[in-house]
Amino acid sequence: GAVVSQHPSRVICKSGTSVKIECRSLDFQATTMFWYRQFPKQSLMLMATSNEGSKATYEQGVEKDKFLINHASLTLSTLTVTSAHPEDSSFYICSARLVDYPYNEQFFGPGTRLTVL
Amino acid sequence: GNSVTQMEGPVTLSEEAFLTINCTYTATGYPSLFWYVQYPGEGLQLLLKATKADDKGSNKGFEATYRKETTSFHLEKGSVQVSDSAVYFCACNDYKLSFGAGTTVTVRA
Repeated sequence: GAVVSQHPSRVICKSGTSVKIECRSLDFQATTMFWYRQFPKQSLMLMATSNEGSKATYEQGVEKDKFLINHASLTLSTLTVTSAHPEDSSFYICSARLVDYPYNEQFFGPGTRLTVL
Repeated sequence: GNSVTQMEGPVTLSEEAFLTINCTYTATGYPSLFWYVQYPGEGLQLLLKATKADDKGSNKGFEATYRKETTSFHLEKGSVQVSDSAVYFCACNDYKLSFGAGTTVTVRA
């Protein structure tokens, strides 16, 4: 149980286009989902916390108009990278927190590799 | 807020060697502690966790003990295998999940 999927796993796009990444909790409901960014050989950086039915909370330094997050249901959150540029190339990982699950444990998706040409 | 400091790598070992990765944390409350593993090109997988002082998390031969007095959660494995080659992240969950910088472990046959 507690499986999180991401789609697509890999995307290559041209500079200036927008890319949408989906994060789904497959067998549980997640009131809260998280989006992380990981640069090569570095740790995960929390970008935003997404709560179902409300606006996402962005971490300091993350542009909310650049990284649009929508959490329309208890099993789906989306991250849209708008007008992508090469510096947005990165590994994006989502996680989901199980409703009422103890210890605030998060379950991670497999990640999406974004390459902007 | 909470923060995590873990041993910098990379670490290179021979098969069957003993592995230790040090991890210390700072937190305002009583956090849960985690070790995650990331294999090349993949997302994070939970390796083990501990939720209160003196708890020992264990999985796949790895162990870590929640030491409140030293605010540590060091990861150990007595005999590593080539398949243990990965990046290991220590994490602390107080009000937010914070990760250490990651330690790259390479095990040679």
